[in-house]
Amino acid sequence: AQSVAQPEDQVNVAEGNPLTVKCTYSVSGNPYLFWYVQYPNRGLQFLLKYITGDNLVKGSYGFEAEFNKSQTSFHLKKPSALVSDSALYFCAVRDGGATNKLIFGTGTLLAVQP
Amino acid sequence: EAGVAQSPRYKIIEKRQSVAFWCNPISGHATLYWYQQILGQGPKLLIQFQNNGVVDDSQLPKDRFSAERLKGVDSTLKIQPAKLEDSAVYLCASSLGGERTEAFFGQGTRLTVV
Repeated sequence: AQSVAQPEDQVNVAEGNPLTVKCTYSVSGNPYLFWYVQYPNRGLQFLLKYITGDNLVKGSYGFEAEFNKSQTSFHLKKPSALVSDSALYFCAVRDGGATNKLIFGTGTLLAVQP
Repeated sequence: EAGVAQSPRYKIIEKRQSVAFWCNPISGHATLYWYQQILGQGPKLLIQFQNNGVVDDSQLPKDRFSAERLKGVDSTLKIQPAKLEDSAVYLCASSLGGERTEAFFGQGTRLTVV
């Protein structure tokens, strides 16, 4: 069965510093990986996805993510954090199987201090 | 492009009452999802439709929850009777379909069962 893990409940970073939010996955077939962001009282917003090809994927708001097949990871990164990046971040995975279920991790709260 | 529409935004009911949520996906999106998000947790997939057929409902509590997607467009999710532990945000999402496509989310319905 497919699964995705976000090992950190919260990540704290100072404004201007680089940030990393971690995600690891488990699938039986080819992984299709996604990052979403959720602001308070809002739905989830799509940030970026990895389907195939270049392991470094660029997305919205200056975010990028690095796919690492050997480590089964898909970490979200940003070179310079903003206070406005503070939100809840979710990693998700589709297993390229019969149902294409989209399964989410437990989320990581990113807190960027001024 | 209009987004995923959900209503109502908020609902408060007493336990053992029934409630229904409505979702209108993005036009042309074949896949529709209902997720349950309990405070502090990641979204949990309840049911996934492909057009008007169910492709996965393995985590839907079928003794009290039901969902339908008539004509492959709008969808309703019903809870009858509600329990205290059903208090959560119910998120609807849609995607074009296929394993490579991202899902787009509505703002959700916050249900409080008292």
